[in-house]
Amino acid sequence: TQLLEQSPQFLSIQEGENLTVYCNSSSVFSSLQWYRQEPGEGPVLLVTVVTGGEVKKLKRLTFQFGDARKDSSLHITAAQPGDTGLYLCAGRVSNAGNMLTFGGGTRLMVKP
Amino acid sequence: SQTIHQWPATLVQPVGSPLSLECTVEGTSNPNLYWYRQAAGRGLQLLFYSVGIGQISSEVPQNLSASRPQDRQFILSSKKLLLSDSGFYLCAWSHPTGTGGGQYFGPGTRLTVT
Repeated sequence: TQLLEQSPQFLSIQEGENLTVYCNSSSVFSSLQWYRQEPGEGPVLLVTVVTGGEVKKLKRLTFQFGDARKDSSLHITAAQPGDTGLYLCAGRVSNAGNMLTFGGGTRLMVKP
Repeated sequence: SQTIHQWPATLVQPVGSPLSLECTVEGTSNPNLYWYRQAAGRGLQLLFYSVGIGQISSEVPQNLSASRPQDRQFILSSKKLLLSDSGFYLCAWSHPTGTGGGQYFGPGTRLTVT
């Protein structure tokens, strides 16, 4: 069983601050996804990274896939209250079809 | 565009009662379908997945079962609910050979077993 560990589990910051969320594993993934989930709703796919070392930007969010494809990070610049939510990373093992292993999530609260 | 529906949105059931949660996908053919359970504010646990009609794989042995009677319909069932079955149930779909393996989630069903 693959294991993805996210850190921190909880993060409370003021509006305008920067933050980084980490997703680590001892296993290699063919791709990794980041999702954002609001209370009572399903997760929404933010990005998929595929290539080791890949960096993708989505407005104020920057996603990076580790060179060895075992870890990933999500950096948010100038956080806003609308960024509040549960951030989940999920890794895809290449020989498992579209099966994903999910991390435990990082709950982010951005205070105005 | 593709859409995914789940119902009911919320459900309160007594211990020992049966369960049926339904998930349907529109706008795509032969999707992979998934059932997850999520503990409060935490990550997702894969329960079942299906790559085609009548093809179900179970990831976690438990009090639940799944069926796929039609290409874009996925049902989660139980004959007798346990208190431990309470949780947030999510259905998801993906392309059969999706680039990067991204999954797309429904709105979820909040189940409370009393």
